Amino acid sequence: ETGVTQTPRHLVMGMTNKKSLKCEQHLGHNAMYWYKQSAKKPLELMFVYNFKEQTENNSVPSRFSPECPNSSHLFLHLHTLQPEDSALYLCASSQDERGATDTQYFGPGTRLTVL
Amino acid sequence: AQKVTQAQTEISVVEKEDVTLDCVYETRDTTYYLFWYKQPPSGELVFLIRRNSFDEQNEISGRYSWNFQKSTSSFNFTITASQVVDSAVYFCALRLPNAGNNRKLIWGLGTSLAVNP
Repeated sequence: ETGVTQTPRHLVMGMTNKKSLKCEQHLGHNAMYWYKQSAKKPLELMFVYNFKEQTENNSVPSRFSPECPNSSHLFLHLHTLQPEDSALYLCASSQDERGATDTQYFGPGTRLTVL
Repeated sequence: AQKVTQAQTEISVVEKEDVTLDCVYETRDTTYYLFWYKQPPSGELVFLIRRNSFDEQNEISGRYSWNFQKSTSSFNFTITASQVVDSAVYFCALRLPNAGNNRKLIWGLGTSLAVNP
């Protein structure tokens, strides 16, 4: 595997379900990110982890819970979601989010539909 | 306030035409980085280029070229001899590395490019 991978690629869930999104990076990076992409809106940064420490929580509702067990893996745990949470969830990684020239590399995303 | 504007929401061209995607940014910081990403229908955002504020040289990579002009706060992207595989949404983004807790990427809304055979 190369780059940034995400599983599953597609997910349909009911509002009472609990599910998790997984992201793995094979680039030797130390920072990982979750973004939400909805139609007609700018990309929304949700969470950032740098060297396994959470450095950003962009006022995300508690029904989204991130987990970063190591620098290569990032999870997004989902529970009691709302239909408006339906979106493309993108994971990214970078060398070090404090670095001046830091550049993010993205995975293919998980298309989430909440019924 | 920092902002990135991509005024063109959608562009449609015929294959082999040249096309320019506009990006205008706003910041008072003197040190910043500008990025372009491509998002094909598969969904993955593909990094294309990073440019720092102190380097105004234009860059060419194959059929892609970028024109950075600080005087107009623009960082435009041109595809020469477009191909169907260039069809995608293209995003411009701004990053302020010295902004402390505000180092995150500031994204434009994207330009959807359709290249028709």
